Amino acid sequence: NAGVTQTPKFRVLKTGQSMTLLCAQDMNHEYMYWYRQDPGMGLRLIHYSVGEGTTAKGEVPDGYNVSRLKKQNFLLGLESAAPSQTSVYFCASSRLAGGSSDTQYFGPGTRLTVL
Amino acid sequence: AQSVTQPDIHITVSEGASLELRCNYSYGATPYLFWYVQSPGQGLQLLLKYFSGDTLVQGIKGFEAEFKRSQSSFNLRKPSVHWSDAAEYFCAVDTGRRALTFGSGTRLQVQP
Repeated sequence: NAGVTQTPKFRVLKTGQSMTLLCAQDMNHEYMYWYRQDPGMGLRLIHYSVGEGTTAKGEVPDGYNVSRLKKQNFLLGLESAAPSQTSVYFCASSRLAGGSSDTQYFGPGTRLTVL
Repeated sequence: AQSVTQPDIHITVSEGASLELRCNYSYGATPYLFWYVQSPGQGLQLLLKYFSGDTLVQGIKGFEAEFKRSQSSFNLRKPSVHWSDAAEYFCAVDTGRRALTFGSGTRLQVQP
């Protein structure tokens, strides 16, 4: 099992460019999450999905869009990148939602720099 | 809103010494509690979790944590640190809102 994988691992964008980050999981998990990690701030939730075809906003959703067309994939899009979006992005998945006895499994992260 | 505080940004211990990393949370009820570890350039790996029952939980790599309701704390401990334990450690809480709230992390440095 590969677990949770993320593509790409690194990316440099210019301000205003767009890109999509791909997260894939092979554990048949229902729930998937996108977090961003910034120095001294831990991880903050951007968007999440409770199942195929559903998405919801997290703590810091502005400037991002997501889609969950297939159960195993969760895409994070930046339509017009800004320097404030320079961060490390982590995807996670879990079998059940928060509130039940389950664990989130994390991907290796994508380091994004916006110039 | 719930919050997680890790008061120590950076801790340095000698190899073989004991370790305690502090975590305090703010939430009206008892949340689900987690400790994750992140090695440089890597994703997060779950060390241990507390959902209910025994307040002392054992995790991987020789780590344990104790939930203290009266202090709203979930401190992580290890009796003897190894050089490979150098990493960043995150405490997180799950209050049933479908995602984790993380602390800001504690970076552990291990001296030979």
